[in-house]
Amino acid sequence: GAGVSQSPSNKVTEKGKDVELRCDPISGHTALYWYRQSLGQGLEFLIYFQGNSAPDKSGLPSDRFSAERTGGSVSTLTIQRTQQEDSAVYLCASSYGLGIIGYTFGSGTRLTVV
Amino acid sequence: QQQVKQSPQSLIVQKGGISIINCAYENTAFDYFPWYQQFPGKGPALLIAIRPDVSEKKEGRFTISFNKSAKQFSLHIMDSQPGDSATYFCAASSMIKAAGNKLTFGGGTRVLVKP
Repeated sequence: GAGVSQSPSNKVTEKGKDVELRCDPISGHTALYWYRQSLGQGLEFLIYFQGNSAPDKSGLPSDRFSAERTGGSVSTLTIQRTQQEDSAVYLCASSYGLGIIGYTFGSGTRLTVV
Repeated sequence: QQQVKQSPQSLIVQKGGISIINCAYENTAFDYFPWYQQFPGKGPALLIAIRPDVSEKKEGRFTISFNKSAKQFSLHIMDSQPGDSATYFCAASSMIKAAGNKLTFGGGTRVLVKP
């Protein structure tokens, strides 16, 4: 596609429910990143995937968070047993690969946990 | 640990004025410093970036100044326009493969340009 596509754009869920957020990176991009942007805050790194290498999960805040990337393309970020503090905008970005300057962000999924 | 500190949190400037945003970093391994512009409801978009081998980079009305010894860098928006009203983020990363090109972001600056 022309850009990084994320779905849904908005998600409201009840505390304790599981949610899945989807990211479609730019075709041909081998690296994919997830960031979290809390209200009025900067972006916080969560996880990245590069090709067939093991993902770097060092930014995931708890074991309730997980992500997978199927076929080197689409990625899904899963949050289990959501808490109110999980409310944020979840942003996905992709790039051609490591060491490449600059990458492209999607518009994000705004998650609200009530 | 906040590795990139950004100031001010918000800024109001008259049309035609200069907007200045400052960032300071701690990790000396950082060697790539981009600035992102974000409009409401959109993801951040790369605006301009600098490597530490130069002290200044200019692209149109946007200039990055970099001070390696002080571990500081700044964004100057010359002749600010209402369309520049957005949130600006500085960021930093290490370009070595092991670092994975993960970006560490500052807290953001909301810029409002008044007509």
